[in-house]
Amino acid sequence: GAVVSQHPSWVICKSGTSVKIECRSLDFQATTMFWYRQFPKQSLMLMATSNEGSKATYEQGVEKDKFLINHASLTLSTLTVTSAHPEDSSFYICSAEQQGRPNYGYTFGSGTRLTVV
Amino acid sequence: DAKTTQPPSMDCAEGRAANLPCNHSTISGNEYVYWYRQIHSQGPQYIIHGLKNNETNEMASLIITEDRKSSTLILPHATLRDTAVYYCIVRNMYSGGGADGLTFGKGTHLIIQP
Repeated sequence: GAVVSQHPSWVICKSGTSVKIECRSLDFQATTMFWYRQFPKQSLMLMATSNEGSKATYEQGVEKDKFLINHASLTLSTLTVTSAHPEDSSFYICSAEQQGRPNYGYTFGSGTRLTVV
Repeated sequence: DAKTTQPPSMDCAEGRAANLPCNHSTISGNEYVYWYRQIHSQGPQYIIHGLKNNETNEMASLIITEDRKSSTLILPHATLRDTAVYYCIVRNMYSGGGADGLTFGKGTHLIIQP
């Protein structure tokens, strides 16, 4: 079945530094990937849609200059949290849909727990 | 996409069938019903989806009412590992502009009791 690998699974960084999170589709190609954020005891919130070879589209209220998304290939999207602050601490999750196979639903990565200290 | 309503939590005894309801009274004709679950501190996992016919796979069964305004996810023999938050999501699969992200509600926290 489709597998999405997300790395790292957890990271602790100092306030003001940047953190990069990778999302890879291991056995399928994904023109589009999605990035979500989940705060404790809350549901997933869509942050942005990552499009291969073009600019990402961001949901309302998500700062595009703070959350940089790069989707350089059909199997890799990266999310960089720039100048991270404690309020950016959250669980970040990516997902992808198999190209040409929408009936299979979205496959999610295992998530990245970001803690900014 | 149409909104869904689910009970915030449910308990079920291990080995029994877990029946999780979902109300989606504003669903439109081209919207599918998807179910995902999220085990604590993991990414969501796809379970099943359907349009109007009942569906069954190795994980669960999905029963959709004739008017499509509600559905029930059935886990036939619940185990402790089925403890998770279950999300019912309505999605227009063919939105015309490519894939869309999912809108997650609060879901149902299913707790399987030993």
